[in-house]
Amino acid sequence: DGGITQSPKYLFRKEGQNVTLSCEQNLNHDAMYWYRQDPGQGLRLIYYSQIVNDFQKGDIAEGYSVSREKKESFPLTVTSAQKNPTAFYLCASSRQGDKPQHFGDGTRLSIL
Amino acid sequence: GQNIDQPTEMTATEGAIVQINCTYQTSGFNGLFWYQQHAGEAPTFLSYNVLDGLEEKGRFSSFLSRSKGYSYLLLKELQMKDSASYLCAVSRSYSGAGSYQLTFGKGTKLSVIP
Repeated sequence: DGGITQSPKYLFRKEGQNVTLSCEQNLNHDAMYWYRQDPGQGLRLIYYSQIVNDFQKGDIAEGYSVSREKKESFPLTVTSAQKNPTAFYLCASSRQGDKPQHFGDGTRLSIL
Repeated sequence: GQNIDQPTEMTATEGAIVQINCTYQTSGFNGLFWYQQHAGEAPTFLSYNVLDGLEEKGRFSSFLSRSKGYSYLLLKELQMKDSASYLCAVSRSYSGAGSYQLTFGKGTKLSVIP
């Protein structure tokens, strides 16, 4: 079955530590996205990528970094510069930018 | 800038009909998506409207008026499993052809009661 896999499901970060969230898709989608969701809030776009080796900042990119070396993979690194990283992180992909986005199951990141 | 408004919470009775409204203001509007999100889970795609009018898909229908910046999601024959958050998301084009971005509203939490 095709889909989007995010790992891990739960992640804990120590102060000053960088952590990387994995996102893999086997849907052959060109576009991939990272969102952050806080309680009572909508999804906010962190980074997105329309094609391999290219990505763009979203609305809240500060403190995050991404790479898109393969079509299937779009990992997100939460750096120590992100002062409030506790949130639910969702990865999504779509065939083209204006097609429905399909979401992974998400990663919950907490600070120790 | 962009602004998307939808009610924070709604309650409806099992078997009834409920309408969830969404108003938006944005430049470069391309279309409007509705997603369903159960607590603690990922959003799942419900509908996509590009042109004005009603799109029907089983118990769910979605309406769009581009001139009024308005959409609604209509849920019929409500079931307990429909208790979830419903997210309105506006797709807009930017910086040339083929580039789109989704902006989500904060979601409407629907509670279905017996």
